[in-house]
Amino acid sequence: DTGVSQDPRHKITKRGQNVTFRCDPISEHNRLYWYRQTLGQGPEFLTYFQNEAQLEKSRLLSDRFSAERPKGSFSTLEIQRTEQGDSAMYLCASSPFLRDTEAFFGQGTRLTVV
Amino acid sequence: GENVEQHPSTLSVQEGDSAVIKCTYSDSASNYFPWYKQELGKGPQLIIDIRSNVGEKKDQRIAVTLNKTAKHFSLHITETQPEDSAVYFCAASKSGTASKLTFGTGTRLQVTL
Repeated sequence: DTGVSQDPRHKITKRGQNVTFRCDPISEHNRLYWYRQTLGQGPEFLTYFQNEAQLEKSRLLSDRFSAERPKGSFSTLEIQRTEQGDSAMYLCASSPFLRDTEAFFGQGTRLTVV
Repeated sequence: GENVEQHPSTLSVQEGDSAVIKCTYSDSASNYFPWYKQELGKGPQLIIDIRSNVGEKKDQRIAVTLNKTAKHFSLHITETQPEDSAVYFCAASKSGTASKLTFGTGTRLQVTL
């Protein structure tokens, strides 16, 4: 499978715990994005990377959230001190450099904070 | 920033009929308009897109139209089939902003037999 891969698919955590999600983009896509989707809504942009550089962060990304893409390949999204409002689907997408608007999404990680 | 409105929120059609979903956007600088299909428990899948230098694009049973003056674009699905049942999202972005897409709120399409 050469699509965007996300792990885990589902995560249940207790409030206050830290969680980390991983995204493997399509090979040779140098742009990687994180979006958040709550029930009944469209995805909302969180942040994006070009290679290893994090170029933009949304105001939705509070200081409890941190994303990395250390070698310009896979990325991780960490949420510290989770809150019930963090419950959502976290989607990763990637796009090729020369076609900077086509984004291909992974299956997402569904986070439930109890 | 960009704001994308989408309607209807739900749409039920009989198999074989056509379905139309409409979106409006607010930022006249937006120039890329993709449509995504999302099935339950899955990520959004790109099904068709259109750029602002084109007024219409068709791919088999799916077509998208764009009216830049009115700032609206539409998805047309003809000869609907049960497997078309899903949530459809429109989105908008502009060159130079990578794929920072602004999505609509989605349309749940139900194709009944």
